[in-house]
Amino acid sequence: GDSVTQMEGPVTLSEEAFLTINCTYTATGYPSLFWYVQYPGEGLQLLLKATKADDKGSNKGFEATYRKETTSFHLEKGSVQVSDSAVYFCALSIKETSGSRLTFGEGTQLTVNP
Amino acid sequence: EPEVTQTPSHQVTQMGQEVILRCVPISNHLYFYWYRQILGQKVEFLVSFYNNEISEKSEIFDDQFSVERPDGSNFTLKIRSTKLEDSAMYFCASRRSGVSYNEQFFGPGTRLTVL
Repeated sequence: GDSVTQMEGPVTLSEEAFLTINCTYTATGYPSLFWYVQYPGEGLQLLLKATKADDKGSNKGFEATYRKETTSFHLEKGSVQVSDSAVYFCALSIKETSGSRLTFGEGTQLTVNP
Repeated sequence: EPEVTQTPSHQVTQMGQEVILRCVPISNHLYFYWYRQILGQKVEFLVSFYNNEISEKSEIFDDQFSVERPDGSNFTLKIRSTKLEDSAMYFCASRRSGVSYNEQFFGPGTRLTVL
């Protein structure tokens, strides 16, 4: 079946540090890939997405590139802020499935200290 | 900006009781979903709904669960006889129809506590 594996957390960084959160996947079809963010006490918000190989999704300084050859979609940010503290979820969906359900990774808790 | 809403934000119930969780998806969306997140665990798919019927469901979505779109705006998840292990955050999501619109928009969630 489809699955997503994220690097184990939690991750603690100082403000302005470089962030990488690793994400790899296995999929039965051709997936679209997503990063969702969950701020404390809130629901899931789409951070960025990529729908085909070599696409780069970007938003709010975060980037991730769809790498089909390594089945990866690593999240990066060059300089994190305290306000980036949240849980980050990598996810995939298969367009060919009737409902296009999202399959999520375990989530990575990021804490950014001033 | 349109958003998915959910009510209540927190529901406390006794084991064995029925609960109904409510969601109002974004108005021009046609696919609807329920997910749950047990505390500290990953978000898990429960069910997807399209054209007034279930399009896909997970192994979690057993006979104790049902979904309904009772009118043109609400989308509900019913748990017939709650168990302690149903305690979780339940998220509703919706998306537009068409393969180009694969982004799902999530509501803020309902925290269900079963005592």
